[in-house]
Amino acid sequence: DAKTTQPNSMESNEEEPVHLPCNHSTISGTDYIHWYRQLPSQGPEYVIHGLTSNVNNRMASLAIAEDRKSSTLILHRATLRDAAVYYCILISPGGYNKLIFGAGTRLAVHP
Amino acid sequence: GAGVSQSPSNKVTEKGKDVELRCDPISGHTALYWYRQSLGQGLEFLIYFQGNSAPDKSGLPSDRFSAERTGGSVSTLTIQRTQQEDSAVYLCASSPRTQRAADTQYFGPGTRLTVL
Repeated sequence: DAKTTQPNSMESNEEEPVHLPCNHSTISGTDYIHWYRQLPSQGPEYVIHGLTSNVNNRMASLAIAEDRKSSTLILHRATLRDAAVYYCILISPGGYNKLIFGAGTRLAVHP
Repeated sequence: GAGVSQSPSNKVTEKGKDVELRCDPISGHTALYWYRQSLGQGLEFLIYFQGNSAPDKSGLPSDRFSAERTGGSVSTLTIQRTQQEDSAVYLCASSPRTQRAADTQYFGPGTRLTVL
C-alpha cells in the first residue's frame, strides 16, 4: 500500500474551519483515500473516503487534488468533540482492505 | 443498530497466562479485522477474516497469537503465555465487504490488556 504523510499536530479554535492535509505522492490510479479519526479512549471511526472527486458527508468534506497526490479533510466548523487523531489511509482494491495506520494528525480544538 | 462489541473491556493478567479476547461483529458483516494499539504506538493490523476464506495472519507478531472465527460471526483472539510487551488495546473491526476498497470498517471499543 502507498504511504501517506500528515503533519503531526494541528490546532484550531472552536467553530472555525479546519483543513487537515495529507500527501500521498505514490498513490496508484485505483487507490481509495480513506480518513478515520480516533477520539480519546475510543476505537477509530470512519470519517469519509473518495477516489477522484471531492466528497461531502455530514461529518466533513474531502478535497482531492487533480493529480491525486494530495488530499485535504475539511471540518467546516470545528467543535470540541472533533479533537482527535486523524488518519489518512490509502486502500488498494483487490487486497484485504487492512488499514495501515500512520502516526496521523493530532487535532487540538480550543474553546 | 448494534455496533461492534468486544469483551472484556479490560483484562489484567499475569505474565505467562493465556487470555482470550472476544469480538462480536455487526450482523451481516462478512469481513472481520483485529488490530492492536500499544501505549504510545500506532495501530497495527493483526489478522483478517473474510467469509470462509483462509484468514490473513500476516500481522500476528508471534506464534503465541492465534484467532478463530466461528460460524462466520464471533471471533476470539487468543494470546498464549502472555508477555509484558503484549499489553495494549486490542481492537476489532468489521466490514460489509460489499464495495471492496471503498468499504468502511466499523470498530469496537477495544479490550485493554494489561500484563503484569
